[in-house]
Amino acid sequence: GNSVTQMEGPVTLSEEAFLTINCTYTATGYPSLFWYVQYPGEGLQLLLKATKADDKGSNKGFEATYRKETTSFHLEKGSVQVSDSAVYFCALKVQGAQKLVFGQGTRLTINP
Amino acid sequence: NAGVMQNPRHLVRRRGQEARLRCSPMKGHSHVYWYRQLPEEGLKFMVYLQKENIIDESGMPKERFSAEFPKEGPSILRIQQVVRGDSAAYFCASSPDRGQQPQHFGDGTRLSIL
Repeated sequence: GNSVTQMEGPVTLSEEAFLTINCTYTATGYPSLFWYVQYPGEGLQLLLKATKADDKGSNKGFEATYRKETTSFHLEKGSVQVSDSAVYFCALKVQGAQKLVFGQGTRLTINP
Repeated sequence: NAGVMQNPRHLVRRRGQEARLRCSPMKGHSHVYWYRQLPEEGLKFMVYLQKENIIDESGMPKERFSAEFPKEGPSILRIQQVVRGDSAAYFCASSPDRGQQPQHFGDGTRLSIL
């Protein structure tokens, strides 16, 4: 079946540190890949997406590259801020299907 | 704010009662999705609806849960005879079509069962 595996949290970093949150997937065909962010008490917001191999999604200093050969979509940011503290979810959507399949989420805390 | 609107934000029910969760999609969106998030877990798909049609309910529990998206008004997720295990955050998302557009999420309804 289709599934997403994220690196386990929680992750705690200092401000301005480099961030990587690993995400790998298993899917039939060629899925679209997404990163969503959830701030406390809120719903999910789309952070970035990529729809085909080698695409790079980017937004607010975050980046992720769709790597078909390693079935990965790791999230990176060069210099994190306290305001980046949130839970990050990697997700996929298989062509022809409408539902998103989510990873378990990674809680990120940035200390000043 | 023209985002996905869910209400109530918090709902408390006693075991055996009914819970009704409402979702108004973004303007221009005719596709609605419901997801459930258990504590410290990711979101799990429940059901996908278009106006007056259930398209995919493969994630819905077989009993007590139902969903609708009438021609007029919000989508409703209904849980009958709630049990403690139904305590979770329920999120609604919407999209304009069946294509590659991303889904936009509401802020969720936190359901607590006493």
